[in-house]
Formats: sequence, C-alpha cells, structure tokens
Amino acid sequence: AQSVAQPEDQVNVAEGNPLTVKCTYSVSGNPYLFWYVQYPNRGLQFLLKYITGDNLVKGSYGFEAEFNKSQTSFHLKKPSALVSDSALYFCAVRDPFHTGFQKLVFGTGTRLLVSP
Amino acid sequence: DGGITQSPKYLFRKEGQNVTLSCEQNLNHDAMYWYRQDPGQGLRLIYYSQIVNDFQKGDIAEGYSVSREKKESFPLTVTSAQKNPTAFYLCASSAPNEQFFGPGTRLTVL
Repeated sequence: AQSVAQPEDQVNVAEGNPLTVKCTYSVSGNPYLFWYVQYPNRGLQFLLKYITGDNLVKGSYGFEAEFNKSQTSFHLKKPSALVSDSALYFCAVRDPFHTGFQKLVFGTGTRLLVSP
Repeated sequence: DGGITQSPKYLFRKEGQNVTLSCEQNLNHDAMYWYRQDPGQGLRLIYYSQIVNDFQKGDIAEGYSVSREKKESFPLTVTSAQKNPTAFYLCASSAPNEQFFGPGTRLTVL
C-alpha cells in the first residue's frame, strides 16, 4: 500500500532564509507526488507535482521540490522564505495505475512558521 | 478553491441529527471526493465518485452516505451513526493528475 511520511510536525525558519519541508514516500511502481498548502480554515491549494521527467520540479509561489528515487523522498524547498509562507503543507502520493480516479494518500502535514 | 463551492462554511449539529454538506463544482470533472481532516492526521478519504450515479467507499465511510445524481454535485450526509463527526470536511474533484479542493465545511457536534 502506498504511504507518505512527513517527519516534522513543525518547521521554523526566519524570513529570508531557505526552507525545506521533508517528505518520504512508499509506493509500488513509479510514484506521482504532490505538494499542497493549506491556510487556516481554507481548502488545499496545489503547489506542484512530479509525474515524470526532471527531478527538480518548480511550482507556485517560488516553491520547488526535488524527487529522489534512491532515497524515496520529495522534499519541498524555497530559497528565501516569506512570512506569508506560514501555513500547513501536505505531501501526497498517488497510485500511478489508476487514471480517471485519483486516490491520493496524504501525509499528516507539516506546519511552517516563518518569523519576521 | 476555484470552481468548487462548499456550504455551509460552519455547521453545528446536535447529537442524533443527520446533516448534509453541499459540494458543487463547475469544472466539468467526472471524479469527486470527500475527505475528513482532523488535527495531526492529515486527510482521510470518506467516499469518492468516478461518474454520475456511481460512488465507492473510501477508507472511513462508516457513518457517512453520499449521492451523485448530477455531475456537478456530490453531497455528503453525516448520519447519527458517525460517533465522532466533529471535523473539517473537504470536497475535491479531479482532472488528470491534479485534484482541486473546495474551501471546506467545519462541522461541530454540540
């Protein structure tokens, strides 16, 4: 069965510093991987995805993620954090064998807190 | 949250009552989903529907029911059989390789 782990409940970073939010996955076959962000009392907003191709994926709001097959990781990164990046971040993996139906399995989320 | 609306935003329920959460999408997506979000547990799939008049149980379907009479609509009923319904409920629909989420409904049992 597919699964995702986000080992950190919270990540603290100062504004202007680089940030990393970690994600590791387990899935049979080649994974489809996603990052979503959630602001308080809101739905999830799509940030980026990895399906195939270049291991470095660029997404919305200056975020990027690096797919590492040997380490089964898909860490979210940003070179310079903003206070407005403070939110809850979810990593998700999808079974690549289902096309029309996308069963996403989510991690437990990592709260990012960027201090001024 | 574009294209998916959920109502109401906040809902209060007395014990023993059934309540229905609305989800509408104008994205012309065939597949729709209901998730439950609890603190520290991420999102868990309740029900999903791949096409009109068809739906399947997800990982935590007990105490919930759904219908899919129209492509645009996928309402979720939280029944009195759901023992711990207080949570944040998220509806989603999907295009190939991406899911889009609604703004959510926060349900509180009094």
